[in-house]
This record gives sequence, C-alpha cells and structure tokens, in this order.
Amino acid sequence: GAGVSQTPSNKVTEKGKYVELRCDPISGHTALYWYRQSLGQGPEFLIYFQGTGAADDSGLPNDRFFAVRPEGSVSTLKIQRTERGDSAVYLCASSLAPTGSPLHFGNGTRLTVT
Amino acid sequence: GENVEQHPSTLSVQEGDSAVIKCTYSDSASNYFPWYKQELGKGPQLIIDIRSNVGEKKDQRIAVTLNKTAKHFSLHITETQPEDSAVYFCAARQSYQKVTFGTGTKLQVIP
Repeated sequence: GAGVSQTPSNKVTEKGKYVELRCDPISGHTALYWYRQSLGQGPEFLIYFQGTGAADDSGLPNDRFFAVRPEGSVSTLKIQRTERGDSAVYLCASSLAPTGSPLHFGNGTRLTVT
Repeated sequence: GENVEQHPSTLSVQEGDSAVIKCTYSDSASNYFPWYKQELGKGPQLIIDIRSNVGEKKDQRIAVTLNKTAKHFSLHITETQPEDSAVYFCAARQSYQKVTFGTGTKLQVIP
C-alpha cells in the first residue's frame, strides 16, 4: 500500500518567509509525528499527534513553529519568519495506535533557507 | 528526558564480515527499541525492533540484543553485503510513543 507522503520534497525559501510542509500519513494510522534531521544527525522529535490533537509538542523549538492536523489525517507543519538555522530535512512518520506500533517515515522535505 | 548514545559513528567492514553497532539509553521506563536504516535522500526505514520483555531477536542476517540492567542494546549484521551500506539509527521509546533517536552510524561495506 501507499506509504507516508511528504510534499514538497524540496523547498527553498528566503529568510523571513513563511513555509508550509505537508504530510499524508498511511491510511488508518492515527498517530502522526514530525521530526527534524540536520546533516549528520539523528532525527530530532518536534511534535506528535494522536488523532486531531497534539499529544506532545515539547520538541517544537519556538513559537515560530506550529503544526495542525484538523481532520486527523493530513498534517501541515508551519514555520513563520524562517531563519537560516531552520534549514534541515523535515520528516513525517505515522503509526497505528495503540502504543507499541512502529513508526513509518516519509522521505522528508528538504528545507533550505537562504 | 531520554538520551540515546550510539557508537561508532562510522564503521567500515569487508564484505562478508560482521558489523556491530552499540547504543545506550538513559531512561529505565523505555520499553521499545527500534533500529532504522536510512539511505541517501530517503526517510529512515525500520529494519528490526525489540521490546523490553525480550533479550534477543533475530531476522535472517540481522539480530538485536537488549540488556535492560545495563541499559544498552546492539545491532548485529552478519555476512554483510554492499547493499547494507547506509546510515543506521537506534532509538528508544517510552509507552507514550515519543521516540528518541541516536546520532547514527554510517556503515560502509567494502566489496
């Protein structure tokens, strides 16, 4: 079946601009996660949704970052007033509930802030 | 919060030899330990996982061991092949589903 889909695959934006990154999880997966991966590093947790609500947003670095999942399926990660330090690969993953299901990752969106 | 350390950061082996990657975790409440393989330009892909009530798990050429007392777990790849070359990540998760990753091991299998 279809895996986790992330769009766009690449995004180049200028410092100060607003960007939206989209994630389509695997059908039927109620849990959705956003991670950020810098070059040479492991994925860093940002936020986790269970259904429509953010169950854990402790990884969001500051209030310029926000994520939504209004219907419990597609999620959008929004970054305001982008900075060069936001450049990274943003990964989305989904999993079945309950606890204990493996995470399935998309191929990520590579964000470059110039 | 949880902290996962991974060693080595790079590993080169001859084709056919074994490769071992080791990880330690800090939170004794972690109960699920997946391993992911990441190829260039792709997202991490789950290759094997182990739960805290099991000490060892094997799937063909891949095996994982877990020592809960020492809080460390390891990935073993036997009979390595060039297609095993990739970056491998260990991870740990508590029951509320937040997964913490290690810093990765770049494995190179030399033909």
